[in-house]
Amino acid sequence: EAGVTQFPSHSVIEKGQTVTLRCDPISGHDNLYWYRRVMGKEIKFLLHFVKESKQDESGMPNNRFLAERTGGTYSTLKVQPAELEDSGVYFCASSQFSAGELFFGEGSRLTVL
Amino acid sequence: AQSVTQLDSQVPVFEEAPVELRCNYSSSVSVYLFWYVQYPNQGLQLLLKYLSGSTLVKGINGFEAEFNKSQTSFHLRKPSVHISDTAEYFCAVSGLRDTGRRALTFGSGTRLQVQP
Repeated sequence: EAGVTQFPSHSVIEKGQTVTLRCDPISGHDNLYWYRRVMGKEIKFLLHFVKESKQDESGMPNNRFLAERTGGTYSTLKVQPAELEDSGVYFCASSQFSAGELFFGEGSRLTVL
Repeated sequence: AQSVTQLDSQVPVFEEAPVELRCNYSSSVSVYLFWYVQYPNQGLQLLLKYLSGSTLVKGINGFEAEFNKSQTSFHLRKPSVHISDTAEYFCAVSGLRDTGRRALTFGSGTRLQVQP
């Protein structure tokens, strides 16, 4: 069974540009989460989807971040326009139940120059 | 709201020595507790979890953790480490957010460096 996959693994962009990160959860997992780790600090919650609906987006830092989950399958996280402080590793995780074990992807490292 | 404190950012230890990685949490509601590990160039992997029941939880790769409610701690231990245990370890709690939904709150991580 395939795990959670994320693309790209590493993206380097300039300030002001746009980047879209993609996450493919484990098949059948209705719950999908985005987290971010900035510069060796703690991993912080960004948002939570149940199927295609956003259940909790209280962790999104600002309106430059847009997350979607079309058809309740894969999800994208767009940063537009990117700022220097957006650099970090973006993790995606999925679970079958909201209180169940989270399975994480390898993360997408974003570097904004 | 909940928070997690991992007191040690780095822990160097010699191979075959015991190790304890400390984790303290704060929460106004009951929580589930987790330890995740991230090996180099890999994603986060669940080591063990405490949901209820016995306060001593055993996980993969010989790790165990003990939930101490009075001290709000969930320290991770291994009696004898291997070089392959070199990784970053994250303590996390799953509690209810203001939205009524559960989500993980992570600590800042502890880098375990096992030396020969």
